[in-house]
Amino acid sequence: EAQVTQNPRYLITVTGKKLTVTCSQNMNHEYMSWYRQDPGLGLRQIYYSMNVEVTDKGDVPEGYKVSRKEKRNFPLILESPSPNQTSLYFCASSFFRGSGRAFEQFFGPGTRLTVL
Amino acid sequence: GENVEQHPSTLSVQEGDSAVIKCTYSDSASNYFPWYKQELGKRPQLIIDIRSNVGEKKDQRIAVTLNKTAKHFSLHITETQPEDSAVYFCAASGAGSYQLTFGKGTKLSVIP
Repeated sequence: EAQVTQNPRYLITVTGKKLTVTCSQNMNHEYMSWYRQDPGLGLRQIYYSMNVEVTDKGDVPEGYKVSRKEKRNFPLILESPSPNQTSLYFCASSFFRGSGRAFEQFFGPGTRLTVL
Repeated sequence: GENVEQHPSTLSVQEGDSAVIKCTYSDSASNYFPWYKQELGKRPQLIIDIRSNVGEKKDQRIAVTLNKTAKHFSLHITETQPEDSAVYFCAASGAGSYQLTFGKGTKLSVIP
């Protein structure tokens, strides 16, 4: 089954304790992205990746890191989480056909993070 | 960068009535406009999209219209049903870009 998976689905942690949220897709998509969703603010992009070893900042990158060592995986790293990073996080992926045209993004199930 | 405004933020309709959600965008070079539906506790899922070379697209009870001159696009849902209740997000993507800029969402409630 074609899908995007995220782990963990729920996480409660404390300020300053490093954490990683994993994202994996099995559709051979080149483009992957992380969003955070907060009430009244919609979906805001944190980081994105056009392909292996190619990553770039989105609209709200502060406090986050990413890596893309393999095509299927795109982990989100919070080196020193703070309470303002409490949010619902979504990973997404899509094709990138080099045509300059965006395509449907497929979302993972979401990770609800609480930082105390 | 791109800015997408979405209205209304909440919308209640009677079952069987139509619902319309409107979005405006700022970048005249934007060329891809998807709509996502997010049911409570679920992930966003694409329901319809349109590219800038098309003015209207329809899929059963849902349709999207695009006015490039005015830089706005709308989602139309006819004969609404309770299962249409969800949060709907519009988005826009600029020329040569794979990034989507999302609106803040519209919570649609269909009252039986």
